[in-house]
Amino acid sequence: GAVVSQHPSRVICKSGTSVKIECRSLDFQATTMFWYRQFPKKSLMLMATSNEGSKATYEQGVEKDKFLINHASLTLSTLTVTSAHPEDSSFYICSASSSEAVSYNEQFFGPGTRLTVL
Amino acid sequence: DAKTTQPNSMESNEEEPVHLPCNHSTISGTDYIHWYRQLPSQGPEYVIHGLTSNVNNRMASLAIAEDRKSSTLILHRATLRDAAVYYCIRARDNYGQNFVFGPGTRLSVLP
Repeated sequence: GAVVSQHPSRVICKSGTSVKIECRSLDFQATTMFWYRQFPKKSLMLMATSNEGSKATYEQGVEKDKFLINHASLTLSTLTVTSAHPEDSSFYICSASSSEAVSYNEQFFGPGTRLTVL
Repeated sequence: DAKTTQPNSMESNEEEPVHLPCNHSTISGTDYIHWYRQLPSQGPEYVIHGLTSNVNNRMASLAIAEDRKSSTLILHRATLRDAAVYYCIRARDNYGQNFVFGPGTRLSVLP
């Protein structure tokens, strides 16, 4: 089946540093990738949607200059948390969808990245 | 509002069927209903989806009300591995776009 990986699985950083999280579709081409954030015992909140080769569309209230998203290829999207602060500590999850074959009606989720900002 | 409403939590005994309800009273005619589940510290896993007709797959069944304002996810025989948070999602088209996650139902399965 369609597999999405994320790297790193967990990261701890100091306040003020930037952190990059990678999301890869391993066995399919992801025309669209999504980034979510999830706080403890809360639901997933969509941060942004990105299509390969174009700028990401951010949800209301999400700072595009703080959460930089790049979707340079059909198998890779990156989320960079710039100048991270403790309130950015969260579980970041990406997902991917594809228009290929019969799987286009699903979003395939990565395993998530746990970010802790000290 | 594109969110759905679900009970916060439910309990089931192992090997018994589980019916997880979801209300989506403002659903539009082209919105699909997707169900995903999430284990602790993992990404969500696809369970099932549908539009109007009831759907079955190897994991579960989805019963959609005739007026489409509600649906029920049916796990025919709950196992301990089915303990998870189950999310009912209204998707604005069948391409998985624009998922809005509600708070979900935390399912506990008792041995």
